[in-house]
Amino acid sequence: GESVGLHLPTLSVQEGDNSIINCAYSNSASDYFIWYKQESGKGPQFIIDIRSNMDKRQGQRVTVLLNKTVKHLSLQIAATQPGDSAVYFCAEETSGSRLTFGEGTQLTVNP
Amino acid sequence: DTAVSQTPKYLVTQMGNDKSIKCEQNLGHDTMYWYKQDSKKFLKIMFSYNNKELIINETVPNRFSPKSPDKAHLNLHINSLELGDSAVYFCASSQEAGGNEQYFGPGTRLTVT
Repeated sequence: GESVGLHLPTLSVQEGDNSIINCAYSNSASDYFIWYKQESGKGPQFIIDIRSNMDKRQGQRVTVLLNKTVKHLSLQIAATQPGDSAVYFCAEETSGSRLTFGEGTQLTVNP
Repeated sequence: DTAVSQTPKYLVTQMGNDKSIKCEQNLGHDTMYWYKQDSKKFLKIMFSYNNKELIINETVPNRFSPKSPDKAHLNLHINSLELGDSAVYFCASSQEAGGNEQYFGPGTRLTVT
């Protein structure tokens, strides 16, 4: 499953499928980007980050892709599990330590 | 073992009251933050302190006043609470200002009636 366009508030996938969450950022000068996962009633939790001198970074079951030409960031989750159900936020660091968050995408994983 | 802790977790109060939210981090980080998350889950930075000095102060009503007694603590005091202040407030910390992962606390849900 994949969220498309500038922002899709919700994404529903089947367990075991790959998920792609997309994000458009605003500032071409941003040089640091983070994906966070927020489960209901909890604070945002770091998933993966990437700096502007890279276009791809892989973690455990997650991959972040950065396209600076079109100011686009994506998070790919392999073999999505029910425990991945949460709201996912991208964030860009615009100046100093100021993180600007995107609106978030609600990922629902169906068993 | 909690890295970033906040108290209280829930706060229900009436309009016009003054309240404080406390935050502590045991990670040895230099930089701490306050964020506000509204009912649509939009997260916005309010303040940031680096080594007890204010480095980010977004457009926030001056009824909100952060205070950092030491590097490990950043408290948020809110005067004359209004209905629109109802939100979840998150504290966060990072090793240093800029280019670092921020660790978030569990949040304080403030409800103003």
